Amino acid sequence: GENVEQHPSTLSVQEGDSAVIKCTYSDSASNYFPWYKQELGKGPQLIIDIRSNVGEKKDQRIAVTLNKTAKHFSLHITETQPEDSAVYFCAADSQGGSEKLVFGKGTKLTVNP
Amino acid sequence: KAGVTQTPRYLIKTRGQQVTLSCSPISGHRSVSWYQQTPGQGLQFLFEYFSETQRNKGNFPGRFSGRQFSNSRSEMNVSTLELGDSALYLCASSFGLVSDTQYFGPGTRLTVL
Repeated sequence: GENVEQHPSTLSVQEGDSAVIKCTYSDSASNYFPWYKQELGKGPQLIIDIRSNVGEKKDQRIAVTLNKTAKHFSLHITETQPEDSAVYFCAADSQGGSEKLVFGKGTKLTVNP
Repeated sequence: KAGVTQTPRYLIKTRGQQVTLSCSPISGHRSVSWYQQTPGQGLQFLFEYFSETQRNKGNFPGRFSGRQFSNSRSEMNVSTLELGDSALYLCASSFGLVSDTQYFGPGTRLTVL
């Protein structure tokens, strides 16, 4: 089945800097890659997603890139703000397995004012 | 449009008891998936229901079961609770197509004593 690795596990940046989180996946048949943000005491919130027919997608300060050949995808947050502090999860759909989505272990992002 | 709702938000049970959690999907969504979130294992897929039928099942013991009603609301049940079942149980809904965007509820925090 699918396996998703996420790095780094923690990331601390200064307000205004950029933050990059990287994920790799194992199932070459996967074609849907969402990113979720989870704040304390809340459920994961979808912030951006990308499908395999697209290499890059941007939404204001957030962008995601996908390299299907290398089987990795990344989240880029520019001009970070304290409210961006949260745990971020990448995920991939599991075409060959029985799971709906397989998640990475998460990255705790801290944006220091 | 109202989001995914889950009840109850918090539960405390003792070992050996059973528990039922409820999830109401976004209006119009026909697929409901359940995930278990723990600090050690992260987000793990439990099962998915679509049109009252279980479509996918993750790698969890038979003590974990679920069902979906004709109005797409879903329940999950855990029998003979163990200490290790303490977790945040998340429900996510989607229209139901393959690799559809999933939207998560706030979760039910289950503590087993």
